[in-house]
Amino acid sequence: AQSVTQLGSHVSVSEGALVLLRCNYSSSVPPYLFWYVQYPNQGLQLLLKYTSAATLVKGINGFEAEFKKSETSFHLTKPSAHMSDAAEYFCAVSTYNQGGKLIFGQGTELSVKP
Amino acid sequence: DAGITQSPRHKVTETGTPVTLRCHQTENHRYMYWYRQDPGHGLRLIHYSYGVKDTDKGEVSDGYSVSRSKTEDFLLTLESATSSQTSVYFCAISGGQIQETQYFGPGTRLLVL
Repeated sequence: AQSVTQLGSHVSVSEGALVLLRCNYSSSVPPYLFWYVQYPNQGLQLLLKYTSAATLVKGINGFEAEFKKSETSFHLTKPSAHMSDAAEYFCAVSTYNQGGKLIFGQGTELSVKP
Repeated sequence: DAGITQSPRHKVTETGTPVTLRCHQTENHRYMYWYRQDPGHGLRLIHYSYGVKDTDKGEVSDGYSVSRSKTEDFLLTLESATSSQTSVYFCAISGGQIQETQYFGPGTRLLVL
């Protein structure tokens, strides 16, 4: 069975500091991995996804993530946080069953301090 | 933005009453999904559909049923609402391939008293 674990339900950084949100996955087959962002009172939108083409994936708004098979990780980073990055972030793995259903991590709420 | 709407956006109901939530898409995507979002649990799949009248259960399907009579509409019904079904419900759509992005609707906030 596939699963996703996000380490840290809340992360707080200062504006301009590095953002690091951690995601570890469990999968017996090569995974497809996603990061979504949810702003308050909105739906989820895709930040980036790993589909085996390249291990370093660049997404929107300056975010990127690196797939590390040896560490079963797909951590999300951004070199310099902006106030507008404050949101909840979800890591997800796509299942090999019919329909590519997503299994989500618990979510990490990012706060950005001025 | 993907053309996905959900209705209603907010609903308050009483325990034991039936509730139907609607998801409407204009993208002609084959797959549609219903998730619920709860603190500490992320999003969990309730049911999904892979075509008109073709549906299957997800991780947390007890107490829910779905129907899809047209490509563009996917209905989620709570047969007899309970307080444990208080949640935010999201609809999503995709083409169904494992690597494809799922696009999410704006959500429905349901409170069961």
